[in-house]
Amino acid sequence: NAGVTQTPKFQVLKTGQSMTLQCAQDMNHEYMSWYRQDPGMGLRLIHYSVGAGITDQGEVPNGYNVSRSTTEDFPLRLLSAAPSQTSVYFCASSYGDSGANVLTFGAGSRLTVL
Amino acid sequence: AQKITQTQPGMFVQEKEAVTLDCTYDTSDQSYGLFWYKQPSSGEMIFLIYQGSYDEQNATEGRYSLNFQKARKSANLVISASQLGDSAMYFCAMREGWVLTGGGNKLTFGTGTQLKVEL
Repeated sequence: NAGVTQTPKFQVLKTGQSMTLQCAQDMNHEYMSWYRQDPGMGLRLIHYSVGAGITDQGEVPNGYNVSRSTTEDFPLRLLSAAPSQTSVYFCASSYGDSGANVLTFGAGSRLTVL
Repeated sequence: AQKITQTQPGMFVQEKEAVTLDCTYDTSDQSYGLFWYKQPSSGEMIFLIYQGSYDEQNATEGRYSLNFQKARKSANLVISASQLGDSAMYFCAMREGWVLTGGGNKLTFGTGTQLKVEL
């Protein structure tokens, strides 16, 4: 029972490079989201998806793209990395969006942009 | 304005004692949910407890309880009988709205409280 799997766990990029953070869940959850965690700022929502083919922006979407072609996968793309994108990224999923539906988080991906 | 405010950046508690971590929130919605997550030094986010805005009883989960004071918009986490393994960062979070078409289960997080349990 893997839950939410994020890869890679660590990545170092140079400014201007592109990369994709992978997120996969095996719980048949409809709702998936990406957060970033910066020191002193808690977690902030980047993008989210309410089902395959449907995505929307969160609080801090600039510089990131997402797509949701399957229920299981929700990759986060950085097209041209900037030092301001140095952060820890968390993917999360849930079965529903009401009541006590709890977000299950992946282990996180630490990204450093030089 | 901050939607979730955690005013205690750091807290110390002695082993076996109880500790309260403060959380206040700001919303104009009548329906919302409040969550607490624990983040140990290993980095993962662990769900602890949930309180719905219409729940009349305070939520409890083992040694964790949520002191929900709706009129004061506070949702404090109480940890009883603290253990060394409770040392971690604790985040309060809120989901606004109840059943939202396309709502997406979006959470707004506070900045966290670092709890250190001492012998």
